[in-house]
Amino acid sequence: RKEVEQDPGPFNVPEGATVAFNCTYSNSASQSFFWYRQDCRKEPKLLMSVYSSGNEDGRFTAQLNRASQYISLLIRDSKLSDSATYLCVVNGGGFQKLVFGTGTRLLVSP
Amino acid sequence: GAVVSQHPSWVICKSGTSVKIECRSLDFQATTMFWYRQFPKQSLMLMATSNEGSKATYEQGVEKDKFLINHASLTLSTLTVTSAHPEDSSFYICSARDLRTSGNNEQFFGPGTRLTVL
Repeated sequence: RKEVEQDPGPFNVPEGATVAFNCTYSNSASQSFFWYRQDCRKEPKLLMSVYSSGNEDGRFTAQLNRASQYISLLIRDSKLSDSATYLCVVNGGGFQKLVFGTGTRLLVSP
Repeated sequence: GAVVSQHPSWVICKSGTSVKIECRSLDFQATTMFWYRQFPKQSLMLMATSNEGSKATYEQGVEKDKFLINHASLTLSTLTVTSAHPEDSSFYICSARDLRTSGNNEQFFGPGTRLTVL
């Protein structure tokens, strides 16, 4: 079983739609959780950290369910510029190490 | 925010040659830098963790004699791919942790180096 699992997609949605991505992780000792965004042939960029109580940043909402070892990302009012691959990232195997999911590809169309 | 640079951004080399990639933290000090590799349509895979002034810790399956890592200062780590072969062609990305914010495990990524071995 992979340490971090995501549906690779692609998710094809129209502008303005709401879309949700899910991610599961296997290491119950993980303490830090992130969503990164990666554009084609570019480095990943931090979208947001995920906190136990859930957190929101503009159109983006992240949730964490430790009991189910499950993380989600909700994007409201999708923009064309949201088209990218969204990486679920968890720290594991030691305090410093980050483990990346394979990413979920989002395509927002006009 | 914290900025990490990588050089070169891309490199094409012949099989058998060695390639050195530099990773620098520009506006912060990083005791720990990480080297990742990403093949097409795959996730980032951690290759090694590089600590300033000490030997790097390599992930299982990564040959330490092939991928030489040097972390001589708090702002510079280098990865040398020795005797590169076509199967080493990949996107190599470094990241660094800022000492001031290291408590939250956040890593700042360089722009990556695309290596093509002919």
